[in-house]
Amino acid sequence: AQRVTQPEKLLSVFKGAPVELKCNYSYSGSPELFWYVQYSRQRLQLLLRHISRESIKGFTADLNKGETSFHLKKPFAQEEDSAMYYCALRMVSGSRLTFGEGTQLTVNP
Amino acid sequence: DTEVTQTPKHLVMGMTNKKSLKCEQHMGHRAMYWYKQKAKKPPELMFVYSYEKLSINESVPSRFSPECPNSSLLNLHLHALQPEDSALYLCASSQDSRVRGYEQYFGPGTRLTVT
Repeated sequence: AQRVTQPEKLLSVFKGAPVELKCNYSYSGSPELFWYVQYSRQRLQLLLRHISRESIKGFTADLNKGETSFHLKKPFAQEEDSAMYYCALRMVSGSRLTFGEGTQLTVNP
Repeated sequence: DTEVTQTPKHLVMGMTNKKSLKCEQHMGHRAMYWYKQKAKKPPELMFVYSYEKLSINESVPSRFSPECPNSSLLNLHLHALQPEDSALYLCASSQDSRVRGYEQYFGPGTRLTVT
C-alpha cells in the first residue's frame, strides 16, 4: 500500500533562513507527488506538483525516485510562509490522494 | 468561477438530527470528493464521485450518505451522527478523477459539531 511520511510535525526557522520540509513515500509504481499548503483560516490549496517542475512562491521540490523523496525547499523563508504543509501522493490509476501527516512551518521574524 | 463553495460554514447538530452539507463548483469538473479533517491532521478521503457516479466509498459508516444530483453539486446527508464525527468536512473537485495531472481544488469546509 502507498504511504507518505513527513518526519517533522513542527519546523521553526528564522526569516531569511533556508527551509526544507521532508517528504518520503513508499509506492511500488510511478507516483504523482504534490505539495499542498493550508494557511491559517484558509482553504487547502495546491502549492506544487512534480509533473510541472515549477517554482511557486520561491518553493521548489524535486522528485528523487532513488531515495523515494519529494522534499520541499526554499532558499530564503518569509514570515508569510508560516502554514501547514502536506505532501500527497496519487497512484498511477487512482483518484485517491494519500496525504502525509503534515508539517507545521513557523517562520520567526 | 474557479472556486469550490461549501455551505454551511458551521453546523451544530444533535445526535438525532438529520442535516445536509452542500458543495458546488462551476469549473466543469467531473470528479468531486468528500474528505473529513480532524484538527492538526491531514484530510481523510470519504467518497469520490466520477461523472456523477459513486466510484469510491472508503468504508464510511452509513450515517453519512453522499449524493451527486448533477455535475456541479455534491451533497452529504448526515443522520444519527456521533460526537466523534465532529470535524471539518472538505469538498474538492477535479477535472477528471482517472487522469493524471489534474489537481484537486478544495472548498473552505464545513465545521461540524455533533452534540
